Amino acid sequence: GENVEQHPSTLSVQEGDSAVIKCTYSDSASNYFPWYKQELGKRPQLIIDIRSNVGEKKDQRIAVTLNKTAKHFSLHITETQPEDSAVYFCAASKFIPEEYGNKLVFGAGTILRVKS
Amino acid sequence: GAVVSQHPSRVICKSGTSVKIECRSLDFQATTMFWYRQFPKKSLMLMATSNEGSKATYEQGVEKDKFLINHASLTLSTLTVTSAHPEDSSFYICSARIRGQGNQPQHFGDGTRLSIL
Repeated sequence: GENVEQHPSTLSVQEGDSAVIKCTYSDSASNYFPWYKQELGKRPQLIIDIRSNVGEKKDQRIAVTLNKTAKHFSLHITETQPEDSAVYFCAASKFIPEEYGNKLVFGAGTILRVKS
Repeated sequence: GAVVSQHPSRVICKSGTSVKIECRSLDFQATTMFWYRQFPKKSLMLMATSNEGSKATYEQGVEKDKFLINHASLTLSTLTVTSAHPEDSSFYICSARIRGQGNQPQHFGDGTRLSIL
């Protein structure tokens, strides 16, 4: 089955700097890669996602890049702010035509601390 | 849009009690809902996939008789932790996917923190 590895496990950056979190996946059939942000005791919230037919996607200060050949994808946060401090999870999924499939496999998570 | 409500948010109960957690999609229909368990500072571990009108699909190592799942309608799935023990204490989160959108984001509930004394 799919295996997703995420690095680093913790990341501390100064406010205003950029943060990069990297994930690798094992199943070349995976074609959907979301990123979730989870604050302590709260629900995971989707912040950005990318599909395998796209190499890069950007939404304001957040961007995701995908390298299908190398089977890795990365989250980039620019101009970090204290409110970006949270746990970030990457995930991978492959589309199965029947509706019941399409499980998400999550990475282990990255604790991001933005110091002001 | 795409709001998932999970109830209760917190449960504290004695060992041996059975606990039911509800997951509702408020503004959409969800043929499929997912149940996760999350330990402190750990990732989300999928327990089972809940399918409306049919039996749930459990992940390897998850006891189906221990964690009963019922998905009786297109907007409601329930997880019952039967005869809960302290080792069942955890954060349980459900998610739902909009009906007909097989490769789309999952929308998460707020989670239920279960503490067994």
